[in-house]
Amino acid sequence: EAQVTQNPRYLITVTGKKLTVTCSQNMNHEYMSWYRQDPGLGLRQIYYSMNVEVTDKGDVPEGYKVSRKEKRNFPLILESPSPNQTSLYFCASSFGPAGGRYEQYFGPGTRLTVT
Amino acid sequence: AQSVTQPDIHITVSEGASLELRCNYSYGATPYLFWYVQSPGQGLQLLLKYFSGDTLVQGIKGFEAEFKRSQSSFNLRKPSVHWSDAAEYFCAVGAGPGANNLFFGTGTRLTVIP
Repeated sequence: EAQVTQNPRYLITVTGKKLTVTCSQNMNHEYMSWYRQDPGLGLRQIYYSMNVEVTDKGDVPEGYKVSRKEKRNFPLILESPSPNQTSLYFCASSFGPAGGRYEQYFGPGTRLTVT
Repeated sequence: AQSVTQPDIHITVSEGASLELRCNYSYGATPYLFWYVQSPGQGLQLLLKYFSGDTLVQGIKGFEAEFKRSQSSFNLRKPSVHWSDAAEYFCAVGAGPGANNLFFGTGTRLTVIP
């Protein structure tokens, strides 16, 4: 089954404790993105990747890192999480750019709480 | 700068009634426009998209949207709403070099009453 998976689905952590949210897709997509969703703000793009070892900032990259060492994986790293990063995070993948002609497929989301 | 406005935070309609969700965008060039739906506890699913050509686009689940350049709008419509359409709907515009950036509106939550 074609899908985007994220782990963990739920995470409660403390300020400053490094964490990684994994994202994996099995559709051989070149493009992958991370978004955060906050009430009243909709979804905002954090980072995107156009292929292995090619990443760039989205709209709200501060406090986040990403890497793309393999085509199928695009982990999101919070090196020193803060309470304002409490949010619902989505990973997405597609054959083309996020805002382009190809459909993006979204993962189920990761709900992160930073205390 | 690009932006998307969804003026209605929450809409309630009766099952079988028609639906229109409003979306206005701001973008300097010809926009790539999208509507996504998010069911409770789920990720997002693409309903439809507009790039060029016919300004009335058809999507999945019986939805359609009309691009009106003069009004900078891309409203979503459905002639007869089903209870399963209850969800949150997001309008989005593709922007930036190579359309790598996707900017979402704040969403409209749809409630369907029997």
